Amino acid sequence: GNSVTQMEGPVTLSEEAFLTINCTYTATGYPSLFWYVQYPGEGLQLLLKATKADDKGSNKGFEATYRKETTSFHLEKGSVQVSDSAVYFCALKSSNNNDMRFGAGTRLTVKP
Amino acid sequence: NAGVMQNPRHLVRRRGQEARLRCSPMKGHSHVYWYRQLPEEGLKFMVYLQKENIIDESGMPKERFSAEFPKEGPSILRIQQVVRGDSAAYFCASSLMTDMNTEAFFGQGTRLTVV
Repeated sequence: GNSVTQMEGPVTLSEEAFLTINCTYTATGYPSLFWYVQYPGEGLQLLLKATKADDKGSNKGFEATYRKETTSFHLEKGSVQVSDSAVYFCALKSSNNNDMRFGAGTRLTVKP
Repeated sequence: NAGVMQNPRHLVRRRGQEARLRCSPMKGHSHVYWYRQLPEEGLKFMVYLQKENIIDESGMPKERFSAEFPKEGPSILRIQQVVRGDSAAYFCASSLMTDMNTEAFFGQGTRLTVV
């Protein structure tokens, strides 16, 4: 079945540090890939997405590239801020039935 | 266009009672997903429904839990005879029927506390 594996947290960084959160997937067909962010006490919000191989999704300084050869969609940001502290979820939506699956989430804490 | 609406936001039930969680998807969305998030844990898939059909319920416990998405009205996640271990945040998401490239939109969640 379809599944997403993402790097375990928690991740703690200093402000302006470089961020990478790894995500790999297993899916039949050609899924669409997403990163969501969850701030404390809230629901999930879409951060960025990519719908085909080699696409790069970007938003708010975050980027992720859909790598079909390595079945990966790693999230990166060059310089994190305290306000980026949240839980980040990698997700896929399958091409055959629109089923949507999430990784376990990675908690990021950015210290001033 | 209102977002995904979940109610109630907070629900307290005593052990053995029933919990009913409601989710109204975004207008035009006919796919609904339910997820459970335990404290300090990730998001666990429970069930995926389309109007009047359960597509995938592989993540839902076989006993006490049920879900429906009727032709009219909200999707309902029902937990019978709740136990303390059911305490969690339950999130609903919805997406468009035919477009796999569009994201799922989430509600604010229902936080269930079993006392």
